[in-house]
Amino acid sequence: ETGVTQSPTHLIKTRGQQVTLRCSSQSGHNTVSWYQQALGQGPQFIFQYYREEENGRGNFPPRFSGLQFPNYSSELNVNALELDDSALYLCASSLEGLADYNEQFFGPGTRLTVL
Amino acid sequence: AQSVTQLGSHVSVSEGALVLLRCNYSSSVPPYLFWYVQYPNQGLQLLLKYTTGATLVKGINGFEAEFKKSETSFHLTKPSAHMSDAAEYFCAVSDDTNAGKSTFGDGTTLTVKP
Repeated sequence: ETGVTQSPTHLIKTRGQQVTLRCSSQSGHNTVSWYQQALGQGPQFIFQYYREEENGRGNFPPRFSGLQFPNYSSELNVNALELDDSALYLCASSLEGLADYNEQFFGPGTRLTVL
Repeated sequence: AQSVTQLGSHVSVSEGALVLLRCNYSSSVPPYLFWYVQYPNQGLQLLLKYTTGATLVKGINGFEAEFKKSETSFHLTKPSAHMSDAAEYFCAVSDDTNAGKSTFGDGTTLTVKP
């Protein structure tokens, strides 16, 4: 069973640029959630994708957008990067819709630095 | 709305001593509660969870936590700390059966002294 993978591991961008982060969900999972973890803070929920549709969003502006593909992998896109976007971006996958509660499994994250 | 407060951003214990990491939550509905561990340069790993039923929850690596509704707390304990327990620990709450919409605390860094 393959776990959650994310790419790239590290990324450096400048203000105003755009970035795409990628996540491959664990085998058999249909849901991907994205979190932003700033230095010294806990993860903050950005949004979730369930069967290729956005299924909930946290308090993030529209320049944060995402996609989920038929194989349930996902992308997080951030436009017009700001210095405060520097953070560890975590992806987590789970299997929703079939039980009362389903555990989410996290990838190792992508470290984004905005200069 | 839901929120989590972890009391103490840094906790230091000696090897073999009791570990106690504190978590208080706020939720408008019966909560689902979680503790995660994060080692350097890694993602989060679930230690244990409370959904329904027994209020004392046992997790991996000898950790356990007790859900106390009257105190809105979900403190994490381990009777005897090991050096390998040094990591960052996050408490999280969800008011939804959907695992992926959790609210996390700011974390507690656990240091274990030899």
